[in-house]
Amino acid sequence: QVQLQESGPGLVKPSQTLSLTCTVSGGSIASGGYYWSWVRQHPGKGLEWIGYIYRSGSTVYNPALKSRLSISVDTSQNQFSLKVNSVTVADTAVYYCARVNGYDLGYYFDYWGQGTPVTVSS
Amino acid sequence: DIQVTQSPSSLSASVGDRVTITCRASQSISSYLNWYQQKPGKAPKVLIYAAFNLQSGVPSRFSGSGSGTDFTLTISSLQPEDFGTYYCQQNYNTPWTFGRGTKVEIK
Repeated sequence: QVQLQESGPGLVKPSQTLSLTCTVSGGSIASGGYYWSWVRQHPGKGLEWIGYIYRSGSTVYNPALKSRLSISVDTSQNQFSLKVNSVTVADTAVYYCARVNGYDLGYYFDYWGQGTPVTVSS
Repeated sequence: DIQVTQSPSSLSASVGDRVTITCRASQSISSYLNWYQQKPGKAPKVLIYAAFNLQSGVPSRFSGSGSGTDFTLTISSLQPEDFGTYYCQQNYNTPWTFGRGTKVEIK
């Protein structure tokens, strides 16, 4: 059973960098076949896709966040990470990591972490 | 970006009722549409992918239909554990986008 677990600071000051890591167990990022993604949910709101990465390090980002985003992967640790620069209160959200499964007609999120709340506040 | 609009935004139904949630895309997305269920304080869980494919382990009372711009999630006989918020998500192109959700309450 694949499991994902987010980790990182729950409080970030405005203008600083938000950094989160997702540790994968029960499956290997290096094996390929899946993308690895971040999704966030603002308080009481819907879901926003942030971006995804493949084992090779190739990435696709949400253009709304692209200028401040970096997603990286460490296959030796079976982890992938998210960095969001120059955060504001608008980046306050629950951040989820998720595995992206592909099929003939596209992709879907089949495994998710439990989510980690991040608050941007001075 | 492709917008996906869900309706209704909330509903209340009784156990055993047939429940239908709709999702409309701002342009044709073929069958690139997934449905998720989220319970309070939990991560979303995929129910349906590619418009009508039931994810393994999901009860057969859940079904999806539609293609192009109009899609439907149906719960054939609502059960007490089906409360939560349901989201559609398009993966026709990036940025992948979600609907705003439909909150389902049990009467």
